[in-house]
Amino acid sequence: SQTIHQWPATLVQPVGSPLSLECTVEGTSNPNLYWYRQAAGRGLQLLFYSVGIGQISSEVPQNLSASRPQDRQFILSSKKLLLSDSGFYLCAWARTEGPQHFGDGTRLSIL
Amino acid sequence: KNQVEQSPQSLIILEGKNCTLQCNYTVSPFSNLRWYKQDTGRGPVSLTIMTFSENTKSNGRYTATLDADTKQSSLHITASQLSDSASYICVVRAQTGFQKLVFGTGTRLLVSP
Repeated sequence: SQTIHQWPATLVQPVGSPLSLECTVEGTSNPNLYWYRQAAGRGLQLLFYSVGIGQISSEVPQNLSASRPQDRQFILSSKKLLLSDSGFYLCAWARTEGPQHFGDGTRLSIL
Repeated sequence: KNQVEQSPQSLIILEGKNCTLQCNYTVSPFSNLRWYKQDTGRGPVSLTIMTFSENTKSNGRYTATLDADTKQSSLHITASQLSDSASYICVVRAQTGFQKLVFGTGTRLLVSP
């Protein structure tokens, strides 16, 4: 069966510090991978998606970047965090028209 | 603009009672609609999918309906259990666009003993 792992579960970082959140998928190959941010009282916002190694798509201007160094690994990064980067970050994998399978998320607090 | 609106924002019901959650959308062109359940501190999990031609679909005690003409969907929960306490998110897939999945803000359901 397929599983998706995200870590860390919670993270507290000072403003201006770097960020690296990692997501890995097991039990499937060549999945579509997604990074979402969920703010309180708002729907999930798609940050990045990837259909293959090294292929990253994003249309939302932001302080974040994503990379896919391996087929089942998706990384969310920032060089300098802002207060507005606080939120609940969710990684997901999916087949083209299938359901999104979400990880358990990372709650990021910026101080 | 593609949008998904859910109501009520939050709901408290007694264990064993039924409830219905609403979802209205303006997503076009429409592809499908899914209901997800999100437990606190966890990622959402898909409950059911509705395509254009489907009116009703059940998954255990969960029954989803879709009216593609009025662009409305509902999720009915029968004989609620304490474990049903969660946020329920309506997600509509568009056929085109960067963010093909448009997420509602969810309904937070609390089932009280």
